Amino acid sequence: QSALTQPASVSGSPGQSITISCTGTSSDVGTYNLVSWYQHHPGKAPKLMIYEVSKRPSGVSNRFSGSKSGNTASLTIFGLQAEDEADYYCCPYAGRSTVEFGGGTKLTVL
Amino acid sequence: QVQLQESGPGLVKPSQTLSLTCTVSGGSISSASYYWSWIRQPAGKGLEWIGRIYTSGSTNYNPSLKSRVTVSLDTSKNQFSLNLSSVTAADTAVYYCAREDFSAWCLDHWGQGTLVTVSS
Repeated sequence: QSALTQPASVSGSPGQSITISCTGTSSDVGTYNLVSWYQHHPGKAPKLMIYEVSKRPSGVSNRFSGSKSGNTASLTIFGLQAEDEADYYCCPYAGRSTVEFGGGTKLTVL
Repeated sequence: QVQLQESGPGLVKPSQTLSLTCTVSGGSISSASYYWSWIRQPAGKGLEWIGRIYTSGSTNYNPSLKSRVTVSLDTSKNQFSLNLSSVTAADTAVYYCAREDFSAWCLDHWGQGTLVTVSS
C-alpha cells in the first residue's frame, strides 16, 4: 500500500479536462519540487510525462500540465483524447535512497 | 536515443532465484548522471520500485525486498542485472528496467518490460 494517495480512477469525455491528484506529506511532495508523472498503457513501457512538478520532456504534448500545492501534486490533461486512456502514476522525491510511486490512477475516456 | 531491453527466463520455480539483465544502448551505463533501476508490476497492481545501482556500484533497495535483492553492473557489456532470491508466486510480475536522472529525480527511459512467472 503506497503512502502516496491517488484516486483509483477518473474519467472524462473527449475534449474535456481532468485532474489527477497525488497527496503525499511534508517530507516528500510538500518539501521538494521534484514530482514526476508517468503514463502507462497496458503492455507498454511507462512513459515520463512530467518532471520537476511541471516540466515536460521533449515530445510530450502541452495538453499535459503539472502543478503542486502544499502536500498535493496534480496532473491536468486538457482536451482529452482517446489515446490518453491509460494508468497514471506520480513519483515524488522521497529521499536519496528510495523511489516511491503513488498507487496509480486509471483514466477512462468516455 | 537511449534504449533499454530486459532479458531473462520467463518462468522461475518457487524458492529459486529470478535473474534478469537489462542491456542499455545509445548511452553509457558508466555515465555519472544516472542511476539504473528495476521496477515491477504484478498483474492488477501498481508499480513497485525494487532497487537501483549507480556507476560506482553503490546500490539502494526497497526495504520490503532488501533481504532478497541484488542489483549489479557490468560496464564492459553496458548491462545491469537483477537477482531476486527465494521467489514465491507473489513475485510474479512484469519487470522493467529504467534509467533514473538524479538531477531531476525521474525515470526518463524505460524498457518494454518482461513477464516473469513463478510457478512449479
